[in-house]
Amino acid sequence: EIVLTQSPGTLSLSPGERAALSCRTSQSVSSHSLAWYQQRPGQAPRLLIYATSSRATGIPDRFSGSGSGTDFTLTIRRLEPEDFAVYYCQWETTFGPGTEVEVK
Amino acid sequence: EVQLVESGGGLVQPGGSLRLSCGASGFTFSAYWMSWVRQAPGKGPEWLAHIRPDGSGTKHAESVKGRFTISRDNTKNSLYLQMNDLRAGDTAVYYCARELVGGVVDLESWGQGTLVTVSS
Repeated sequence: EIVLTQSPGTLSLSPGERAALSCRTSQSVSSHSLAWYQQRPGQAPRLLIYATSSRATGIPDRFSGSGSGTDFTLTIRRLEPEDFAVYYCQWETTFGPGTEVEVK
Repeated sequence: EVQLVESGGGLVQPGGSLRLSCGASGFTFSAYWMSWVRQAPGKGPEWLAHIRPDGSGTKHAESVKGRFTISRDNTKNSLYLQMNDLRAGDTAVYYCARELVGGVVDLESWGQGTLVTVSS
């Protein structure tokens, strides 16, 4: 069973700063099935990135994904106020525990 | 505009059953794989099951296999989740979601969710 670990648990940043969120898998996986979601309070998750680096429809280009093997990263180039949320990585049918990006 | 609207949640006693529904509009429902996902309070999402566009094949998570069953009615643009033998640990918000690409669980559209509470 593949286990996903996300770090840090909480990331405290200011608007305009760059965020780098990590997702590690317990064994090497295909990058085809690695996705990232954003969840704002009271809302359903929203697909941001699929297949490691492809942006979903309507997702701003400040969001980017990268990685391979066991290490994957979601980068938010310049944080906007609406980007403060919880972010989950997903490999196939397994979700990670999430990283909260909070206002510093 | 893609819309997914879940219904059927509520309070149920342990051991009870519930059937969730998801009404779809704004797209050709019969062309898409569909999934159910749940999220317990304060926890991350948990994928439960998905179903082929024509309903001919399904897959369920091990955690719910034998208790939960996904199905669909393309004539009604509706997705269902039959949940039996419910336990306290099944308490969660349940979402239906449309998959981006057939059989790959990239969930590009989600409903607003329906809350299921299992308690005596």
